[in-house]
Amino acid sequence: DGGITQSPKYLFRKEGQNVTLSCEQNLNHDAMYWYRQDPGQGLRLIYYSQIVNDFQKGDIAEGYSVSREKKESFPLTVTSAQKNPTAFYLCASSRPTTGELFFGEGSRLTVL
Amino acid sequence: AQKITQTQPGMFVQEKEAVTLDCTYDTSDPSYGLFWYKQPSSGEMIFLIYQGSYDQQNATEGRYSLNFQKARKSANLVISASQLGDSAMYFCAMREFLTGANSKLTFGKGITLSVRP
Repeated sequence: DGGITQSPKYLFRKEGQNVTLSCEQNLNHDAMYWYRQDPGQGLRLIYYSQIVNDFQKGDIAEGYSVSREKKESFPLTVTSAQKNPTAFYLCASSRPTTGELFFGEGSRLTVL
Repeated sequence: AQKITQTQPGMFVQEKEAVTLDCTYDTSDPSYGLFWYKQPSSGEMIFLIYQGSYDQQNATEGRYSLNFQKARKSANLVISASQLGDSAMYFCAMREFLTGANSKLTFGKGITLSVRP
């Protein structure tokens, strides 16, 4: 079945550590996205990529980095520069015709 | 900049009744798209319905319909015959077109719906 796979589902990090969240898709979509969700809040865009080897900052990119070396993969690194990284992270790809987003199941990051 | 507003506090509805979730938007683009997503407590995001700005008719998908009032810039979601499984958070989102065929979605803050038995 086609879809978005995120891993890990739960992740704990000590302060000062970088962590990388994985996102893989087999939908053959060009565009991929990373969103952050805080409790009781909406989704805020971190980074997006419209094509391989290209990506742009979203609304809250500070303290995060991404790469897009393959069409299927769009990993997100949460760096030690991110001051408040505890959140729920959602990866998505989009259908070109309507822009509908297909989401992964999310990764919940907790900083200890 | 585009903006999506969802201002209702937590909503409650009796099972089998209909409920309307409000969404207003702000954009200067003549071409845009509006979406509703459902997020149960498990965290997954489930696509419900889409309305294009040039669509002549309001979108419907099973028990979901979108009351699209372009002049008022509102895109309210109507859920008919509510079920207990409809209890979740609901997000309204708007599509912003980028270069080529790609785009990004801007989300509202969401509305929590609770269905009472």
